[in-house]
Amino acid sequence: GAVVSQHPSRVICKSGTSVKIECRSLDFQATTMFWYRQFPKQSLMLMATSNEGSKATYEQGVEKDKFLINHASLTLSTLTVTSAHPEDSSFYICSARGPGQMNTEAFFGQGTRLTVV
Amino acid sequence: AQRVTQPEKLLSVFKGAPVELKCNYSYSGSPELFWYVQYSRQRLQLLLRHISRESIKGFTADLNKGETSFHLKKPFAQEEDSAMYYCALMGTSGSRLTFGEGTQLTVNP
Repeated sequence: GAVVSQHPSRVICKSGTSVKIECRSLDFQATTMFWYRQFPKQSLMLMATSNEGSKATYEQGVEKDKFLINHASLTLSTLTVTSAHPEDSSFYICSARGPGQMNTEAFFGQGTRLTVV
Repeated sequence: AQRVTQPEKLLSVFKGAPVELKCNYSYSGSPELFWYVQYSRQRLQLLLRHISRESIKGFTADLNKGETSFHLKKPFAQEEDSAMYYCALMGTSGSRLTFGEGTQLTVNP
């Protein structure tokens, strides 16, 4: 299957700073990328959907000014957590899907563990 | 609204026993249903989808529209099946996936 790579896999940052997480599709063009957040022992909660070259669509309750998503190319999307606070500590997962495939598989990154201290 | 429910957070069976992981959904249209699996320290990966009607690693799942269910079954569980299993739904818009809360399956020797 196709490969989606997230970087970094783990990051620790100080409260008040910003941290950027990258999501890359390595062997296919990802026209749509999804960002999820997962709390311990809980399900994946969709944060936003981004299509290449356009603004991300955020789920209800997700602050778009806090979680900045950029999908500037067909192989890269970034999630920036701005002015991070301890409650932003979580596991963030991206997934990507190729073009023209409304009902096919989305491939997942390995996730990024963010700890805000 | 889309909703997926997995009633069992934990499920433990012995090797060779049958296993069924339950999934119920709520959606007004015709959804596409998936099962994803996450083995220890690995990323989430697709196990199977209802439109494929295939058996993967001995697992099958049938979409029951009357009961709005998509239970995952395997007649003889193996130790390597131990993992976290997520049921997911995609609506007719074909965009977002909604996940259930997951079931941690443990297959004991």
